[in-house]
Amino acid sequence: GAGVSQTPSNKVTEKGKYVELRCDPISGHTALYWYRQSLGQGPEFLIYFQGTGAADDSGLPNDRFFAVRPEGSVSTLKIQRTERGDSAVYLCASRLTPGELFFGEGSRLTVL
Amino acid sequence: DAKTTQPTSMDCAEGRAANLPCNHSTISGNEYVYWYRQIHSQGPQYIIHGLKNNETNEMASLIITEDRKSSTLILPHATLRDTAVYYCIVRAFTSGTYKYIFGTGTRLKVLA
Repeated sequence: GAGVSQTPSNKVTEKGKYVELRCDPISGHTALYWYRQSLGQGPEFLIYFQGTGAADDSGLPNDRFFAVRPEGSVSTLKIQRTERGDSAVYLCASRLTPGELFFGEGSRLTVL
Repeated sequence: DAKTTQPTSMDCAEGRAANLPCNHSTISGNEYVYWYRQIHSQGPQYIIHGLKNNETNEMASLIITEDRKSSTLILPHATLRDTAVYYCIVRAFTSGTYKYIFGTGTRLKVLA
């Protein structure tokens, strides 16, 4: 596809369940970012990948959150033992050179 | 990381210029200023960026003060479709990572 693709667009789960959110970046983009956006707030940085490795995971809130990018393309954000406070829109962005970030439409997670 | 401060909200009449200010008084010499906007339920969209000089593209103009401590995004002829949240971001280079740190943004409402 031409843009960053995120699936699912909406996910409703119960407290305590495990969730995976997928990001398919623009082809050839080596850098990939995950952000979390709560209602009325700006996007909050979670983690940054350069290629396959997590170059900066300082924004992950705790060890329930984990992300992978095994082949340097698609990335999966994994959340264990979900809590109601994890409810947010999770945004993925990619870029090629140090410059413009291209964002996906986000995955809206609701934890009941 | 450099922080940005923006007014919470602004109104602008359709067809008039919208001038959105941003303060980034702690910006470092090699840190760029980026502007994004987010229309309801969509991912952030890139508008423009700059380092020292004023910049213009088909969407907007960016005016950066000589001391680089503040900037203004100008939408020359605002339309109803420009109603969105506008984020001013400083792109920081920290520990080998380019980080794009969002604030809470300015909610611009364009009035008919």
